Order: sequence, then C-alpha cells, then structure tokens
Amino acid sequence: SQQGEEDPQALSIQEGENATMNCSYKTSINNLQWYRQNSGRGLVHLILIRSNEREKHSGRLRVTLDTSKKSSSLLITASRAADTASYFCALQIYNQGGKLIFGQGTELSVKP
Amino acid sequence: GAVVSQHPSWVICKSGTSVKIECRSLDFQATTMFWYRQFPKQSLMLMATSNEGSKATYEQGVEKDKFLINHASLTLSTLTVTSAHPEDSSFYICSANDGFGTYEQFFGPGTRLTVL
Repeated sequence: SQQGEEDPQALSIQEGENATMNCSYKTSINNLQWYRQNSGRGLVHLILIRSNEREKHSGRLRVTLDTSKKSSSLLITASRAADTASYFCALQIYNQGGKLIFGQGTELSVKP
Repeated sequence: GAVVSQHPSWVICKSGTSVKIECRSLDFQATTMFWYRQFPKQSLMLMATSNEGSKATYEQGVEKDKFLINHASLTLSTLTVTSAHPEDSSFYICSANDGFGTYEQFFGPGTRLTVL
C-alpha cells in the first residue's frame, strides 16, 4: 500500500509540552504534506516539505523528512489546547496526477 | 488564497435516493479536482480524480456507477451518490488543483452525508 502510516494513533499531552507525530511510507514521493483537521471539519494545510528538503519550520511547527528512511515527523512546540485535532500526513506523487495519499492520522489531545 | 466551496455542507436522505454534491473553485480555474471520502475516526481515502472535460479516474474498489463524477467546467465538479444506502454515510471532501505545475491542492470544507 502507498498509504502513509502514522504513529502514534493517539497522543495526549499537557499544554506547554511538545508533541511529535511520525509518518512512514513505502513509495517514492515528490513532497510530503501535513494537514490538521478539527473534529467533523475540513482540512487545514500546515506545511509542505519537498523530497529534496530535510527540515522546514513554520511558527511552532517543525517538519523533518528523511527520504532514505522514508519517514517524516511533525513537531508542535509549546502546545496549546487549540492544537487539539487530528493530524494527517499526505504523500504527493506527481506522475500519478498529483493525487494525495493520506496517512491514517494522529489524534492529538492537549489538556489545559 | 484559492477558495474551494462545497454544497451542500450536510445532507440527510432516505435510502435509495440519489444525492448530488457540488464542488466549486471560486477564484481560480481547476483543471483537476479530487474527491475523497472519510468515515468517522478514519483517514481520507481518495475516490477519484477528475479532469475538466474528460472521464474521471476512479481508485481501485470505488464503484464508478455508484459514484458519478462530472467535471463539466473549469470551476465545477459534481459527485452524485446514486441509490444511496446507510453504508454510504460519510464525509465527502473535494479538492482542486489550478494546474500551474505546483500540484498544490485546495480543499473544500466537506459535505456530511447521512443516509437513513
């Protein structure tokens, strides 16, 4: 399967702590993207990292990509209760029409 | 930024009826649109890819006669769930690509379908 596999499936932390989510995959990719989804709502695009990049930052988010290990991680620093959501990695492969293949997701709960 | 809308945002229908969901790109022309389905507590699964003016490409296991996709214009794609049954109840999300080579996808807010 091309689908990304994420771990942990669920993560519960206290406000102020850091949250790390991991995504592993099996196929070659052009880029890997991270999305957030609040319960029952649409997707929010967080960050895109290209296959030739190793690390990217956006505010409190830090994403790494290791194409040799076919894995990526999303780090949220100084988490807030508002960060509570499901987080998905998505693989994009250009020669397949640019479709996105989503991982199973990590459900993050940040307790105040 | 590019905006994609979906209509309706939610729909409840009786088993056996057909339901049409619209996906519109509001401020750009979408050469390619994608349809995803998401069951509760699960991830998004790609159903099909549609290019304007041509037939949709369905993912393995998706019944093309049940999920009819029409991409008749550069700003509108429709998904029709024919003869809907309770197991079709799901969250349907579309996304659109503007075809400028970046392959960036812009997501709609989703449509919640409940089949009684």
